Amino acid sequence: DQQVKQNSPSLSVQEGRISILNCDYTNSMFDYFLWYKKYPAEGPTFLISISSIKDKNEDGRFTVFLNKSAKHLSLHIVPSQPGDSAVYFCAASEAQFYFGTGTSLTVIP
Amino acid sequence: GAGVSQSPRYKVAKRGQDVALRCDPISGHVSLFWYQQALGQGPEFLTYFQNEAQLDKSGLPSDRFFAERPEGSVSTLKIQRTQQEDSAVYLCASGTGSDWYQPQHFGDGTRLSIL
Repeated sequence: DQQVKQNSPSLSVQEGRISILNCDYTNSMFDYFLWYKKYPAEGPTFLISISSIKDKNEDGRFTVFLNKSAKHLSLHIVPSQPGDSAVYFCAASEAQFYFGTGTSLTVIP
Repeated sequence: GAGVSQSPRYKVAKRGQDVALRCDPISGHVSLFWYQQALGQGPEFLTYFQNEAQLDKSGLPSDRFFAERPEGSVSTLKIQRTQQEDSAVYLCASGTGSDWYQPQHFGDGTRLSIL
């Protein structure tokens, strides 16, 4: 049973525009959330995280939003750059990490 | 390099053979995790070490899977009597903390193919 879901397998965005990647979860006990970025043939690289006591965390072009009542997490990338093209995984923690299935982002120059 | 190193990068084995996958975590990292990633899926938790202690092995799919970290640094994931469904990328990650509130640093994985 998938506790963390990324319902969009892929997303295409024009360079300079905003990319919004979404993630839903089912377990209300999750208290720490992360986004990872993955290039082909490489391991995931940590991008940004948020604790359940916050609803927003920002790091440069990347902002993560957490809506606990909706059990929804999103990652905003502004402005999007071609180098952002990768697969993005969201993950949630409660005694262990649970990952979504990933969203493949393509930023078109 | 100071990252997590996994070897081999690729492993092909015949069904029924035993395989051993190695992970060198970042020096000084207390926690070490193993994940299995099937094609088109996200990483799935297998097991977790804090130093040499295996604190959680609830994700290991069967008793054919065994992991160890005897000196609290290098870890080996062993799969006995491999089956075709064991084909996947096996990812190792390490972390500085002893809790679940630290990001993990992943290696590039070992792609295991069982023929």
